[in-house]
Amino acid sequence: LAKTTQPISMDSYEGQEVNITCSHNNIATNDYITWYQQFPSQGPRFIIQGYKTKVTNEVASLFIPADRKSSTLSLPRVSLSDTAVYYCLVGDMQAAGNKLTFGGGTRVLVKP
Amino acid sequence: DAGVTQSPTHLIKTRGQQVTLRCSPKSGHDTVSWYQQALGQGPQFIFQYYEEEERQRGNFPDRFSGHQFPNYSSELNVNALLLGDSALYLCASSFQGDPTTNEKLFFGSGTQLSVL
Repeated sequence: LAKTTQPISMDSYEGQEVNITCSHNNIATNDYITWYQQFPSQGPRFIIQGYKTKVTNEVASLFIPADRKSSTLSLPRVSLSDTAVYYCLVGDMQAAGNKLTFGGGTRVLVKP
Repeated sequence: DAGVTQSPTHLIKTRGQQVTLRCSPKSGHDTVSWYQQALGQGPQFIFQYYEEEERQRGNFPDRFSGHQFPNYSSELNVNALLLGDSALYLCASSFQGDPTTNEKLFFGSGTQLSVL
């Protein structure tokens, strides 16, 4: 399973763009990169998933370089409600018995 | 369309007791995974059930066991509870039936277990 490394915490201000980079040097060919958001006392919530290049949805963008050894989650114009823990996961969801492993996540604090 | 539902939401047990946690997956999902999340930590994978069988298991002792029913719902059982078992237990469902997609995990809100 590909191990991931991401910053422990980040501070930002309302209206700014937040970029969280995740390193996954031993990503496998069939692995996808998925980001989840978690608020206190709630289960993680899917944000975005990608395989290569750039993916964008209504919530975030995900940038993946050609070597796929890292990825960057970009949250545009954050608000106070974006304060949460963000997890980067790497794995093949379709692999038999896949067990997605969460790391420690990045604690993002958005200040007024 | 109900998402993943877990019961109970909170539970208090004493050391040595046994506990059963329940999970109903999102409609249309056939796979259930269980995670343990200690305070301030990321979720740790316990095991995954598909077609009523345990497909994969994380680094948890045999005191942790589970079951999946024909309607895809699942139970997590923990025997001989220890103080260290106090955590948020999360259930996540997904759909393994379409090999052309890389499905996402949908999580419930969890069961907060306190062992005294």
